[in-house]
Amino acid sequence: EIVLTQSPATLYLSPGDRATLSCRASQSVRSYIAWYQQKSGQTPRLLMYDASNRAPGTPARFSGSVSGTDFTLTISSLEPEDFAVYFCQYRDNWPLMYTFGQGTRLEIK
Amino acid sequence: QVKLVESGGGVVQPGRSLRLSCSASGLIFSNYGMHWVRRAPGKGLEWVSSISFDGSKTFYADSVRGRFTISRDNSKSTLYLQMDSLRSDDMAVYHCAKGSYYDFGWIDPWGQGTLVTVST
Repeated sequence: EIVLTQSPATLYLSPGDRATLSCRASQSVRSYIAWYQQKSGQTPRLLMYDASNRAPGTPARFSGSVSGTDFTLTISSLEPEDFAVYFCQYRDNWPLMYTFGQGTRLEIK
Repeated sequence: QVKLVESGGGVVQPGRSLRLSCSASGLIFSNYGMHWVRRAPGKGLEWVSSISFDGSKTFYADSVRGRFTISRDNSKSTLYLQMDSLRSDDMAVYHCAKGSYYDFGWIDPWGQGTLVTVST
């Protein structure tokens, strides 16, 4: 069973800062990783898929990268609306199953 | 705009059954894989089950396999989750969500969810 470990649990930054969120997989997951953003009172929204592809509507300041089993979501310059919880997710195609990380909360410093 | 509305949640005793429904609009429902995801109080997100666009393929998390059954009625644009032998650790908000065109893909968007409480 693949486990996704996100770090840090909480990240305190200011608008305009660069944010780097990490998601480490317990074993190789190829690039079947997605990132979701969940704002307060809302459901999660798909931000990135296949590690580095922006979902429709995702601003260009969001980018994703991978190095081995380490996946990174980078927000180049934080906007006020970016302060939210971010989850990574793995998809195994056979048999189909999905695993979520525990989330990183991005808070205003 | 895709809209997913869950219903059927409520309070149920351990060992009893409950059926959740998810009404979909704003999409050609029969063209998309669909999913159920849950979030227990104070815990993280957990994928529960997925069904192919035509209902021919279903997949379940180990924690619910053999107790839950996912199904769909494409003529009614409705997704279901039959939950039997409910346990206290099944208590959660259950979200239905859309998958990809003729595939399972990634899970988006999500409905607001329906709360299932398992309690004596």
